[in-house]
Amino acid sequence: LAKTTQPISMDSYEGQEVNITCSHNNIATNDYITWYQQFPSQGPRFIIQGYKTKVTNEVASLFIPADRKSSTLSLPRVSLSDTAVYYCLVGTNTDKLIFGTGTRLQVFP
Amino acid sequence: KAGVTQTPRYLIKTRGQQVTLSCSPISGHRSVSWYQQTPGQGLQFLFEYFSETQRNKGNFPGRFSGRQFSNSRSEMNVSTLELGDSALYLCASSLAGDRINSYEQYFGPGTRLTVT
Repeated sequence: LAKTTQPISMDSYEGQEVNITCSHNNIATNDYITWYQQFPSQGPRFIIQGYKTKVTNEVASLFIPADRKSSTLSLPRVSLSDTAVYYCLVGTNTDKLIFGTGTRLQVFP
Repeated sequence: KAGVTQTPRYLIKTRGQQVTLSCSPISGHRSVSWYQQTPGQGLQFLFEYFSETQRNKGNFPGRFSGRQFSNSRSEMNVSTLELGDSALYLCASSLAGDRINSYEQYFGPGTRLTVT
């Protein structure tokens, strides 16, 4: 399974766009990139998943460059409720999710 | 559609005892996975069941076991509890398939186990 590296923490203010980058240099051809969000004392929640280029849903966008060795989760106009830990996961044909340390995002008013 | 439910939500046990946690997946989901989350080790995969068979197992001792029933409900058992087993135990369900990561996993609220 590809190892992922992401910043331990990030700070932002309400209304700003937040970009969290994840490095996955040894990503395999068939690997998908998935992001989860977790609030304290709750289970992680799926945010977005992609394979290449750009994926957008009602919550976030995921940018994946052509070499796929990194990906960027973009959260537009964050609010206080976006304060959470964000996990980047990479894998395929696996029946288990391997979580890294995640990025702790703190949004200030 | 009802989400993943876990019971009990909170549990306090004594060292040496055993515990059974229960998970009911989303209707139609055949895959159930279990995770342990602690401040020190983060989120760690325990095992995954699909159609009553354990398909994958993480690096946990044999004291941790599980099973899945024909209705996809799953139980996790921890025997001879240790202080270090205190954690949030999360269950997740998914539709599953050949490419598991193309199906999102839905997590339950977890069971907070405290071992004293």
